[in-house]
Amino acid sequence: EAGVTQSPRYAVLQEGQAVSFWCDPISGHDTLYWYQQPRDQGPQLLVYFRDEAVIDNSQLPSDRFSAVRPKGTNSTLKIQSAKQGDTATYLCASSSDWGYEQYFGPGTRLTVL
Amino acid sequence: GDSVTQTEGLVTLTEGLPVMLNCTYQSTYSPFLFWYVQHLNEAPKLLLKSFTDNKRPEHQGFHATLHKSSSSFHLQKSSAQLSDSALYYCALSDNNAGAKLTFGGGTRLTVRP
Repeated sequence: EAGVTQSPRYAVLQEGQAVSFWCDPISGHDTLYWYQQPRDQGPQLLVYFRDEAVIDNSQLPSDRFSAVRPKGTNSTLKIQSAKQGDTATYLCASSSDWGYEQYFGPGTRLTVL
Repeated sequence: GDSVTQTEGLVTLTEGLPVMLNCTYQSTYSPFLFWYVQHLNEAPKLLLKSFTDNKRPEHQGFHATLHKSSSSFHLQKSSAQLSDSALYYCALSDNNAGAKLTFGGGTRLTVRP
């Protein structure tokens, strides 16, 4: 069974630039999560979906971050006008509707200069 | 809101000695507790979960017991191995399938020869 896949693996930007991250969850998993993990800190939830619906985006900086999952499968997280404080690893995870465990992708390491 | 506390940021010990990593939590409900392990430049992987059909959760020699009276879920291993060196995160979720995870700050375990 294929795991959660993410791309790109690395991104380096200047402040003010935009970037998009892509996630493909485990097949059949209807819940998808995006976490932000600053260096040497635990992952912090940004947003999560069940199918195509947003369940919780209360921690997503809505002025610059957006996330979509239009068909309930793949998802894209976008940062408009990145700031140095956005430097972190962005992790995608998925779980099944009847399961409690979350399975993480390899992450995208973002550096904003 | 929910929170998870890991009091040790860094733990260094000698191979063969016992390991104990602390985890306490606060939650309005009766949450599920998890331990995730993250090796360098890899995604977090599930190590243990608190619910295992009345058996003590155990994996790769690690075990943890959920103590609701003290709101704790400490991770233990009788004899550390060099390969155990990694970041360890304690996390909790509501006892609903597909719920989000709240992570602790993490403990970096270094095992020396």
